[in-house]
Amino acid sequence: DTEVTQTPKHLVMGMTNKKSLKCEQHMGHRAMYWYKQKAKKPPELMFVYSYEKLSINESVPSRFSPECPNSSLLNLHLHALQPEDSALYLCASSHPGTRSPDTQYFGPGTRLTVL
Amino acid sequence: AQTVTQSQPEMSVQEAETVTLSCTYDTSENNYYLFWYKQPPSRQMILVIRQEAYKQQNATENRFSVNFQKAAKSFSLKISDSQLGDTAMYFCAFVSYSGAGSYQLTFGKGTKLSVIP
Repeated sequence: DTEVTQTPKHLVMGMTNKKSLKCEQHMGHRAMYWYKQKAKKPPELMFVYSYEKLSINESVPSRFSPECPNSSLLNLHLHALQPEDSALYLCASSHPGTRSPDTQYFGPGTRLTVL
Repeated sequence: AQTVTQSQPEMSVQEAETVTLSCTYDTSENNYYLFWYKQPPSRQMILVIRQEAYKQQNATENRFSVNFQKAAKSFSLKISDSQLGDTAMYFCAFVSYSGAGSYQLTFGKGTKLSVIP
């Protein structure tokens, strides 16, 4: 199983709403990533979790709150978002490696629209 | 910090023909990795091919191969016998270690490839 699943596929929310994005993998990966991808742009790294601990936060605004409750799950909690936060949010996972990088497997993404 | 440049925003190729996508990068590191990822329309991103900088031999994966020129910091992707399913956005990525066993990808802006029947 080389699949990373993300729910929901599409999400429309108002600026005062609270919502969560979910990512799941069962490949035994211990590194998980959140990326933000605007239309016709490359993915931009937001957060990295390694062994369920936050290892990188790329200066992401606090209205985005990541959570890694266990080694298979990664959540992104959203609150008080702005219209410019509308984008495709991608989750990825990989085996941790110290000598060489493992392939990052990407999910299909959640298409977020903030009204 | 690393930078990755893909100078061809869009390209097209006839089915069964060969096409080369260019990528250059800048880094002060000596040991590193480079990846090519493919993102088909409305489908998830998948790894096409990877290259270790310490290996002189160019990587190949079936119809996909790279021309890695370390001194020139160039990492181009060649697709032979192009197929309609190769239509996608292609991203070149520099891979750097970010600690605790995780790696960070720095992507180029991408090249949109269209395969024409």
